[in-house]
Amino acid sequence: DQQVKQNSPSLSVQEGRISILNCDYTNSMFDYFLWYKKYPAEGPTFLISISSIKDKNEDGRFTVFLNKSAKHLSLHIVPSQPGDSAVYFCAASEGSGGSNYKLTFGKGTLLTVNP
Amino acid sequence: KAGVTQTPRYLIKTRGQQVTLSCSPISGHRSVSWYQQTPGQGLQFLFEYFSETQRNKGNFPGRFSGRQFSNSRSEMNVSTLELGDSALYLCASSLVPFEAGGRNTQYFGPGTRLTVL
Repeated sequence: DQQVKQNSPSLSVQEGRISILNCDYTNSMFDYFLWYKKYPAEGPTFLISISSIKDKNEDGRFTVFLNKSAKHLSLHIVPSQPGDSAVYFCAASEGSGGSNYKLTFGKGTLLTVNP
Repeated sequence: KAGVTQTPRYLIKTRGQQVTLSCSPISGHRSVSWYQQTPGQGLQFLFEYFSETQRNKGNFPGRFSGRQFSNSRSEMNVSTLELGDSALYLCASSLVPFEAGGRNTQYFGPGTRLTVL
């Protein structure tokens, strides 16, 4: 039972355009969401996060949007650069208040930014 | 500052054997987490240790266990290996535990590639 779903295994965009990576979740207990980026032969690196009390968080070229009613979040990269080519993982966390902070990941989306 | 190191980088075992993987966190980091990455299931959280105590645990069978030492180094053990345990095992470290912000300040190691034959 996949609680965090990234339905697009891959996405290809042109350099300079917007990349939109999507993520859906089913567990209403999730209260914190994260995006990680992973290059081949390296471990994932944290990119950006958002708490369930917000609907948008920006960090430079990266913006994450959260739609709680739809249980959907998206990562926007503007403008996209060839160096952004990587696998992007969406992750969700439950456990506010000191209980079990499980992290649940999606299967990832391979983003390719073409020069 | 040295990053997270994992040993060994590659390992081949046969079904039924057990395996121990090692992770050395970034100096000063006291939280260590373990993850399993497979093509079919993606990235799955195994457990988090902080100050030698398991703080959080994913949905894995009891064959998967871990521990953390006083110097924050961590080991993960898988007993009675199954073919489905073939995966990339990633370790991540952070200064503080998940509930204190460690979730988004993790630094990952390169992983140990385990193949079970």
